[in-house]
Amino acid sequence: EDQVTQSPEALRLQEGESSSLNCSYTVSGLRGLFWYRQDPGKGPEFLFTLYSAGEEKEKERLKATLTKKESFLHITAPKPEDSATYLCAVLYGGSQGNLIFGKGTKLSVKP
Amino acid sequence: NAGVTQTPKFQVLKTGQSMTLQCAQDMNHNSMYWYRQDPGMGLRLIYYSASEGTTDKGEVPNGYNVSRLNKREFSLRLESAAPSQTSVYFCASSGDRGDGPQHFGDGTRLSIL
Repeated sequence: EDQVTQSPEALRLQEGESSSLNCSYTVSGLRGLFWYRQDPGKGPEFLFTLYSAGEEKEKERLKATLTKKESFLHITAPKPEDSATYLCAVLYGGSQGNLIFGKGTKLSVKP
Repeated sequence: NAGVTQTPKFQVLKTGQSMTLQCAQDMNHNSMYWYRQDPGMGLRLIYYSASEGTTDKGEVPNGYNVSRLNKREFSLRLESAAPSQTSVYFCASSGDRGDGPQHFGDGTRLSIL
């Protein structure tokens, strides 16, 4: 069965305490993996796209990496404003409708 | 920078009522999508439109209909609302023949009593 699993469900960090969020997937024919940030009451905001194993993307304190089975979102020296729910989504197969979202990791960063 | 605009932002309906959720994008994207987001379930695809004039079912299409009015607009209709359709509905669009990232609106929060 095609699925996307994110872990942990929730993560509480102190400001400056680096950590990683995981997105593992089992799909046939990966076409792309996307990371989003979602703030309460808002729609998901696009962060990164990764298309092939070994690829890495960086933006400010965030770095996304991809292997054949999973992706990591590394957060270096987080700040309270990084608090949000982070979603990953996997596009696979031949149809544009083949996009599975994980349930997200809720990150809280305390000052 | 409007991006994807959804209306209304909030709505309360009674069981059996009908309504249409509106979505418009100004990014000249070919593909548009409707999702629902429920606690503990993540985002689930209802319908999508790969291009103007085409629509296809997603994971949870039952109880919904869609119309791709033109390249900019994609509407979602509930013909006879049920309490199980209480949810937050998101519209999204993407370019690059659907392989690019999706860009989301801020959602419509729908309650059905």
